[in-house]
Amino acid sequence: ETGVTQTPRHLVMGMTNKKSLKCEQHLGHNAMYWYKQSAKKPLELMFVYNFKEQTENNSVPSRFSPECPNSSHLFLHLHTLQPEDSALYLCASSQQAGPGANVLTFGAGSRLTVL
Amino acid sequence: GQNIDQPTEMTATEGAIVQINCTYQTSGFNGLFWYQQHAGEAPTFLSYNVLDGLEEKGRFSSFLSRSKGYSYLLLKELQMKDSASYLCAVRDPNDYKLSFGAGTTVTVRA
Repeated sequence: ETGVTQTPRHLVMGMTNKKSLKCEQHLGHNAMYWYKQSAKKPLELMFVYNFKEQTENNSVPSRFSPECPNSSHLFLHLHTLQPEDSALYLCASSQQAGPGANVLTFGAGSRLTVL
Repeated sequence: GQNIDQPTEMTATEGAIVQINCTYQTSGFNGLFWYQQHAGEAPTFLSYNVLDGLEEKGRFSSFLSRSKGYSYLLLKELQMKDSASYLCAVRDPNDYKLSFGAGTTVTVRA
């Protein structure tokens, strides 16, 4: 049982829809991450939050908008997506980002299909 | 940036041994991680190497050679449940971010 929970597990949306992915961790971690996992490609880091502050935005298009209301919750708001955005979106957490970073704990992911 | 290479797929027989190689070319190095990811599940941490040598954890071992930019994950006494994708990741000493390889899908056959 992973300590990081992601919902929904599966999402199908049209290009004009607005939806959100949710991530929750109860591990007492202070850093949270969004990764994109496409078939046969390396995980791509999208966003990093450390102590609720965004410390990384890895040149992600503005149609992806993260939100971190507290250290336990992370959202990814989706708007006007493209079919190439279809992928598995993984949330992860760690004790903190930067020099104090330890092992990442991942959620099971949200499988997104954009029609 | 980091360039992480690992084979795409490997197949082995139950009870056998499989070695998954990972080579990296990086501007710096602050540790190498191996993760296991079963289909539809979260990647889970397997091992961490920061110094040269072999780290053993039960049936799984991980080796690192920093001078060669090389690591391998050794899976012994393979079981059907070991069928999964294995991800190699290198941590950057400048920003402490992980760069991942594309993963190696291991299929264990009876």
